[in-house]
Amino acid sequence: AQRVTQPEKLLSVFKGAPVELKCNYSYSGSPELFWYVQYSRQRLQLLLRHISRESIKGFTADLNKGETSFHLKKPFAQEEDSAMYYCALSRVGTDKLIFGTGTRLQVFP
Amino acid sequence: DAGVIQSPRHEVTEMGQEVTLRCKPISGHDYLFWYRQTMMRGLELLIYFNNNVPIDDSGMPEDRFSAKMPNASFSTLKIQPSEPRDSAVYFCASIGARNTEAFFGQGTRLTVV
Repeated sequence: AQRVTQPEKLLSVFKGAPVELKCNYSYSGSPELFWYVQYSRQRLQLLLRHISRESIKGFTADLNKGETSFHLKKPFAQEEDSAMYYCALSRVGTDKLIFGTGTRLQVFP
Repeated sequence: DAGVIQSPRHEVTEMGQEVTLRCKPISGHDYLFWYRQTMMRGLELLIYFNNNVPIDDSGMPEDRFSAKMPNASFSTLKIQPSEPRDSAVYFCASIGARNTEAFFGQGTRLTVV
């Protein structure tokens, strides 16, 4: 069965510190991995997807099939990065989109 | 397009009452998802539709929950009878094509007292 695990419910860092939000998945096929973000009083929205291999707002994520991970990283956190982050998984060729439990990132000044 | 529209934004009801949540997906999107958000479980997938047909409802917690999509522009999630443990934020999302970006509504915050 598909499963997405985000081990940290809360991650607190100071502005300028590096950030890594962990995401592990279980699925034996070819996954599509995503990171979604929910800022305060805003809708949940797509941040990035592994297939795009791009950096969005300074965030990057690399799919590691060996470790079944898709950690989200940013070298220097900003206060405006404070939000709820969800890792999501979809199976290539199917429609089902499932999410992890989410990690709240707090960036202090 | 105004995006995915959910109503009501907030709902407070008494235990045992019927609750109906509504969703209007983005026009032209073939997929519609219902999720429940709680602190403990994060975003749980309840059910999703493709071209108005329910594809997977394995996430629906109990028979008290039901969902319909009578046409491409409208879906409902019904809880009957409601219980306090159903209190959560319920999100609707639509996707235009397989494995692409999901667009979410603002959510309905349900409180069952």
